[in-house]
Amino acid sequence: EVQLVESGGGLVQPGGSLRLSCAASGFTFTTYYMSWVRQAPGKGLEWVANINQDGSEKTYVDSVKGRFTFSRDNAKNSLYLQMNSLRAEDTAVYYCTRENWSLDYWGQGALVTVSS
Amino acid sequence: EIVLTQSPGTLSLSPGERATLSCRASQSVSNNYLAWYQQKPGQAPRLLISGASSRATGVPDRFSGSGSGTDFTLTIIRLEPEDFAVYYCQHYGTSPPHSFGQGTKLEIK
Repeated sequence: EVQLVESGGGLVQPGGSLRLSCAASGFTFTTYYMSWVRQAPGKGLEWVANINQDGSEKTYVDSVKGRFTFSRDNAKNSLYLQMNSLRAEDTAVYYCTRENWSLDYWGQGALVTVSS
Repeated sequence: EIVLTQSPGTLSLSPGERATLSCRASQSVSNNYLAWYQQKPGQAPRLLISGASSRATGVPDRFSGSGSGTDFTLTIIRLEPEDFAVYYCQHYGTSPPHSFGQGTKLEIK
């Protein structure tokens, strides 16, 4: 059974940093692109970033470029989203997803709240 | 960057009726790389349709996707109570960002 479990969410002050993790299991992790998608409270879905199978290629939405860094550790079947210089508008539930062209599996999400 | 526009914003129907949801792209979606997702309150989204018309594993056959180029449709025939949710379209493939439409809320009339 494919499972994606996010952790690391919480409350952080504007300008602060947070690192999200995603533990993957139930599939051959090294053969898939992976993505992060976020959803602000009461709003729609926003694609944030993706990473290729070996972590050498990453793409980000413009609003997080230079602030967020997506990485993966294939030995641990894990993903990481390092978020720096956080802003109020980054407040959202962050979902870890598997890319099988479309996003075929999603984690339950981790809530990040940026507020003073 | 492709912009997806979904219509209507809200659709009010009764169980047993047919729902037709639209997703229009600002430019042609290559290879029909268009997906539809369903999201219920408090839950993560669920993949329904990929490649514009291929149902994901376990998705009932009352859900169907169609379209090509810039115009895509999700149709749900014989609405069941569990189908009332928010639906999003998304383009994917080799040209990120893989943006989503703003969503259509399907509510019980």
